[in-house]
Amino acid sequence: NAGVTQTPKFRVLKTGQSMTLLCAQDMNHEYMYWYRQDPGMGLRLIHYSVGEGTTAKGEVPDGYNVSRLKKQNFLLGLESAAPSQTSVYFCASSLPTSGQETQYFGPGTRLLVL
Amino acid sequence: AQSVTQLGSHVSVSEGALVLLRCNYSSSVPPYLFWYVQYPNQGLQLLLKYTSAATLVKGINGFEAEFKKSETSFHLTKPSAHMSDAAEYFCAVRNDYKLSFGAGTTVTVRA
Repeated sequence: NAGVTQTPKFRVLKTGQSMTLLCAQDMNHEYMYWYRQDPGMGLRLIHYSVGEGTTAKGEVPDGYNVSRLKKQNFLLGLESAAPSQTSVYFCASSLPTSGQETQYFGPGTRLLVL
Repeated sequence: AQSVTQLGSHVSVSEGALVLLRCNYSSSVPPYLFWYVQYPNQGLQLLLKYTSAATLVKGINGFEAEFKKSETSFHLTKPSAHMSDAAEYFCAVRNDYKLSFGAGTTVTVRA
C-alpha cells in the first residue's frame, strides 16, 4: 500500500516549457487535490477533483490545468512555465466522510523554473 | 470562507520544554480543524483533528490541542519537546471538502 505517490520528485524547466506532474493514490479515494507550497504562505490549493472525470478550480488556478481520467490518478499540467511557478507541489487525496476526512499527502515535487 | 491564522512563524524551544503553537480560526459555524506536521523534505502528516466530539483532542507523538470557542482558538501543545519534533506545523480549517492552511510555524528544538 503505497498511499499517495508523485512523479517526478524534482524537475528543472526553462521559461516557456511545459510539463505534467503525476499523482497516484491506491486508497480508492474519491477526492484529490493539488497544492503549491511557498515560504511563509502555507499551502495553497490549485485545483481539486471530487471524482473521476471532474475537476474544479482552487485558490490559485491560473497557469495550471488538471485532468482526472482515472480515479486513482490526478495530473497537473503547466502549459508554459514561468519563474513564478517555482515551488513545491503536493498532491493529496481523501474520502468524503461528512467533514471528518483526513487528507493524505504525497512526498512532493520540487519544481524550479529558470 | 473560513480561515486560520498561525501566530509566530518560528518557535525555538529547549529539549524537554513545553511546545505551544498558536492557531486562531475565523468561522461563523462550528469548524472542523486540523493540525498537520511536515518533516524536512517530506509531505504533510496529520497530527490531530477536531470534529466537535471533544474539545481536547489527542494526537500522535504526544501532541494535543484544545478547542476554545470563546477564544476562537485551537492551540497545539506538547509537554516535553524532543529533538525529533523539529518540523513545520500547519493549522488548517475545512471549507466544503477543501482545506485552508495557515502560513505554518517552524519549530526548532535546542539540545
